[in-house]
Amino acid sequence: DAKTTQPPSMDCAEGRAANLPCNHSTISGNEYVYWYRQIHSQGPQYIIHGLKNNETNEMASLIITEDRKSSTLILPHATLRDTAVYYCIVRPIYNQGGKLIFGQGTELSVKP
Amino acid sequence: NAGVTQTPKFQVLKTGQSMTLQCAQDMNHEYMSWYRQDPGMGLRLIHYSVGAGITDQGEVPNGYNVSRSTTEDFPLRLLSAAPSQTSVYFCASSRTEGVHTEAFFGQGTRLTVV
Repeated sequence: DAKTTQPPSMDCAEGRAANLPCNHSTISGNEYVYWYRQIHSQGPQYIIHGLKNNETNEMASLIITEDRKSSTLILPHATLRDTAVYYCIVRPIYNQGGKLIFGQGTELSVKP
Repeated sequence: NAGVTQTPKFQVLKTGQSMTLQCAQDMNHEYMSWYRQDPGMGLRLIHYSVGAGITDQGEVPNGYNVSRSTTEDFPLRLLSAAPSQTSVYFCASSRTEGVHTEAFFGQGTRLTVV
């Protein structure tokens, strides 16, 4: 599975957009980009995933570069409850059962 | 709607003791897995199962045993606990069919081995 590189920490002001980058330069054509987050050492929670097109859901947007070597998770209006560790994960499309390889993630602190 | 349930939430063991961490899911998911998370680290895969009667090793399987006799349950056994196994343990489940398989995690078991 391709490896990912994320900044260890980021700050964001409440109400502003949080943009979390992820580098996955060795990603292959049959691998998805997934994002999970972990709040206060709770179990991780799925946020969004994409293959090559930009994706949006009720939680976030995912922007994937045309060469697919990097992506950005966008929380459009960050709140204090978005303070968490965010994990960018690359996994094969037909990864039976969704076996996940976690890196160290980005610790996002949303400040008032 | 219970999802993935882990018990106990907290446990303290003495070195050499054995115990079983329980994990149950009510979503009829075929795939279940166990992760451990050490302070300041991401999760690491211990063991996983793609269905009843089928298990396999993950990144860090040593010191742990698993079995899968039913779809719902996937217990993790520590046969002889060591201080290096002090960690937070997470169980997860997901479907196996289909391209997108979102994993659902339990709330974790915080284990201390003294």
